[in-house]
Order: sequence, then C-alpha cells, then structure tokens
Amino acid sequence: DAGVIQSPRHEVTEMGQEVTLRCKPISGHDYLFWYRQTMMRGLELLIYFNNNVPIDDSGMPEDRFSAKMPNASFSTLKIQPSEPRDSAVYFCASSPRLARGAGELFFGEGSRLTVL
Amino acid sequence: GQQVMQIPQYQHVQEGEDFTTYCNSSTTLSNIQWYKQRPGGHPVFLIQLVKSGEVKKQKRLTFQFGEAKKNSSLHITATQTTDVGTYFCAGVNSGYSTLTFGKGTMLLVSP
Repeated sequence: DAGVIQSPRHEVTEMGQEVTLRCKPISGHDYLFWYRQTMMRGLELLIYFNNNVPIDDSGMPEDRFSAKMPNASFSTLKIQPSEPRDSAVYFCASSPRLARGAGELFFGEGSRLTVL
Repeated sequence: GQQVMQIPQYQHVQEGEDFTTYCNSSTTLSNIQWYKQRPGGHPVFLIQLVKSGEVKKQKRLTFQFGEAKKNSSLHITATQTTDVGTYFCAGVNSGYSTLTFGKGTMLLVSP
C-alpha cells in the first residue's frame, strides 16, 4: 500500500492567493482527518470525514478554510484568501476507525505551506 | 476543550542515557496513543494503551498508562541516535471521538 499521499509537498504563495492542498487516503479507510502543525500550537485537528461526510469541522480556524471529500479516494483543503499566519505544515491522515474505537492514524508526509 | 499536557518540551541526552516523557490530562482518557515524528517527517504511530495501569514494551521503549487513566509515560532505555525525534502522546477524552495531541517532547541524542 502506498500510504496516505499528499500534494504538494511544498507550497510558497503570496498573501491573498488561493491555496489547495490534496490528499489521497489509504484505500479502505473510512475516516480522513486534516491536521495543521505549527511550533506554537502543535498538531491541531481541523476537520474530519467519515465515509466522505464532514463530521466535525469545529477546528477549522475561519471561513477562509474549507474542505471537501468528493469521493473515498480524494480530499482537498482550500484556503482562500491565504494569510501569512496560515503558514504551517498541513497533514492529512486516514484511519479505519475512530480513535475512541482504537483507530490509529496513518499520516501523509505533509504539505509545507509558506504564505509571504 | 480537551487538553493534553506533555513534559518536558525538549531533552538532550548522551547516547546510552535513558529518557522519559510524561503526558497528563485533567480529564479521564478512554485511551492514549503515542507517535514519533522524525525531523522533517510525519507522525508515525507507536502504540496504544487502553486499560488502567497498562504497561507495554517495544524493545527499549516502555509505555505506561496511569491507574486513573489521566496520565501516561514513555521511557526509552539506553537511547540511540536513531531515537532522535519528537514524541507525541495523543489522548481520547471520555465522551469524545478524536485524538487530542500533546505538544510533544523533542529528543536529541548526541553520540
């Protein structure tokens, strides 16, 4: 299995531009998570999906952030317009079960976003 | 909201020394997981603890879950340079479904 695949690995953009991050979860995993990692705040859960349906988006910082999962093998996280404070590493992770049900997370390699 | 505190933030040891990181929650956890992230890498699952007082070992790594299920620890015996990275605990609070990550302990091992 190829694992969770994220693209792009690195993105440098200017403030105000739209950014789209992409994720392909592990086949057969029903849960997909988007995390953001910064030095100050650590790993924060932004949103998670179950069977392509958004379940909890309470971690999404503001309306500039949106996430979709049009099918079981693809998800996007979009930031529009981007701001310098959005600079972070964004991880996608998938799991066959929720953590409460003893599901471990399989992380992708991350997308490092720099907004100038 | 859910909070999981982890200490120390950073530790630098000489190869061969032991290392311990501690994880604490103000509320009871249903389970706790540990992850390792190498520099520039992504978090990788190490282990999960579910039962009160549970102890699990993976070679030189020993994981413990407290009796009250509010704290956990990871102990590495005789560290090696390959142990370098950030170790995260992540807990599931009772009544919640998803993991809350601690801020991690960064371990640096000098040869």
